[in-house]
Amino acid sequence: SAVISQKPSRDICQRGTSLTIQCQVDSQVTMMFWYRQQPGQSLTLIATANQGSEATYESGFVIDKFPISRPNLTFSTLTVSNMSPEDSSIYLCSVYDPEQYFGPGTRLTVT
Amino acid sequence: GENVEQHPSTLSVQEGDSAVIKCTYSDSASNYFPWYKQELGKGPQLIIDIRSNVGEKKDQRIAVTLNKTAKHFSLHITETQPEDSAVYFCAASRGNQFYFGTGTSLTVIP
Repeated sequence: SAVISQKPSRDICQRGTSLTIQCQVDSQVTMMFWYRQQPGQSLTLIATANQGSEATYESGFVIDKFPISRPNLTFSTLTVSNMSPEDSSIYLCSVYDPEQYFGPGTRLTVT
Repeated sequence: GENVEQHPSTLSVQEGDSAVIKCTYSDSASNYFPWYKQELGKGPQLIIDIRSNVGEKKDQRIAVTLNKTAKHFSLHITETQPEDSAVYFCAASRGNQFYFGTGTSLTVIP
């Protein structure tokens, strides 16, 4: 199974700022995903990160708020832009290889 | 689209007892059903999965059963231990599209 790491593991940010989360996989994978998990809730898919092309966003998520990069088959970033307290969540990177595996998550608190 | 329901939302069992978590799905095209365990402060970990051509799968103390006709699948944990305490998520999948249940918080009481 793929081994996934994320940076940072947690952060506390001020309202109006942006945070970029990095996801690194130990092997090349075609499909990478970004999820949001609000406290005590299930997993909500934000977008599919496509290598070499624009990410595919789910309903309710837009590129201006959550820009995603996927420069190669082992790395992706998610930026949470112009943050508000409602963005406080765990952000999870995952890969489809062909089962789905998750990274450890980034715990974001916006004050 | 697919709709996955998971019950119960919370479950407490005595150490050594069994725990059962049930999920139902709506899309008959779903053909892969993984279960994830999420411990506090960690990402979800794949613990067992089952494909639609199999009715039951077992791995030591955990097992999953699938009833395609009724569109439901269940996670069974036997001889529970305190380290089984976590949130468990089921999912139904078709290809690279995954739909998650709402989670079950399992507490194993020593």
